[in-house]
Formats: sequence, structure tokens, C-alpha cells
Amino acid sequence: NAGVMQNPRHLVRRRGQEARLRCSPMKGHSHVYWYRQLPEEGLKFMVYLQKENIIDESGMPKERFSAEFPKEGPSILRIQQVVRGDSAAYFCASSPEGSKAGELFFGEGSRLTVL
Amino acid sequence: GENVEQHPSTLSVQEGDSAVIKCTYSDSASNYFPWYKQELGKRPQLIIDIRSNVGEKKDQRIAVTLNKTAKHFSLHITETQPEDSAVYFCAANTGTASKLTFGTGTRLQVTL
Repeated sequence: NAGVMQNPRHLVRRRGQEARLRCSPMKGHSHVYWYRQLPEEGLKFMVYLQKENIIDESGMPKERFSAEFPKEGPSILRIQQVVRGDSAAYFCASSPEGSKAGELFFGEGSRLTVL
Repeated sequence: GENVEQHPSTLSVQEGDSAVIKCTYSDSASNYFPWYKQELGKRPQLIIDIRSNVGEKKDQRIAVTLNKTAKHFSLHITETQPEDSAVYFCAANTGTASKLTFGTGTRLQVTL
């Protein structure tokens, strides 16, 4: 059973470009979470999605950031018009339907560098 | 919302000694408290967790204690080894959701 798959693992963008990060949850998991980790800091919650629904986006910046988890395909975190402050590791985590609260399985992360 | 504080930020111990990391949380509705280990450039990995219906849980050299009244929980690593060197994060869920709020991390260095 493959774990949470994220790609790309590394992404370099120039200021003003768009970044798209993809996450395929573990097989059988229907809940996806995105977290951001700045260098030398902890993980900050961004958004929680289920298939075709955003459940909680309280950690998402109001502008330039969006997330989706379509019926088919991976979850996507999209950052428009990137700025240097967006440079970070973005981790996706998944949990199964009906799981006990809190059981999250993390992917290896996507490391975004904005030049 | 939930606020999780973690101490110390760095911890250096000699191989074979014990290490203790402490966290406090603010939301009395939190009922799940996992600990993650993160090696440089890698993903956070769950090493142990505890739910609010128990006060202590142990897995080989790792143990976690929970004091619900005081809203704090601790990670104990005994007989530390060099491979225990990493950043450790505590976390707490918010209510019934699986959304986790993380502490700021403790960098553990185990020296020979």
C-alpha cells in the first residue's frame, strides 16, 4: 500500500509565476490536509479537504492560495503570483474515512523555492 | 483556536541518557496528542500518540504522559541513541476533527 504521494518533490519558481503542488492520498483515504513548514519552524495547518469539498480553510492565506480535491485525481494546492515568502516545504497528509480523530499520514513534502 | 507550546527548543543529551520534551495545549476539547519525529529533509513520522482517556502510554524506549487537568503532555525517551537525533513535534487535535495544531519543535541532539 503506497503511502501519501506528493509531487513535485522540489519546485523552483520565479516571483510572479504559479506553483501547483499535487498530493495523492493513501489508498482508501478520503481526507486530505495541507500543511506549510517554513525553514526551522513547525508545521502550520492550511486546509482540510474531502472529495469535492473544502471542509476547513482557516489556515489558507486570503489571496493567491487555493486548494481542491476533485472527484478523480489528486488534491492540488495552487499558489498564484508566488513571492519569496512562499518558499517553504508543503506537506500533504491523509486520513481514512471514519478514522479516529487525528490519525494523519504525511507525504514526503514538496519544497518550493521562489527566486 | 488551539495553541500548543513546546519546550525546550533544543536539547542535547549524552548517549544513554534520557530526554524529556514537554508541551501544553489550550483547547480543553482536544482529545488526541501525537508526537512526530522529523529528520532533516524528511517527512514527519508518527512515533507515538495518546488519547485523552489514558494517562500514559509506552512503546519500548518511548513513553508519553498526559495530564488533562493541567493540559500538558510530555515525551520521554530513555537510553537515547545517536539515531534519536532529530526534530520532535508535539501536536493536539481540535475537537473531533483530525486537524492538528503543532508545537514549534524540539531539536534533539544525542552526543556520543
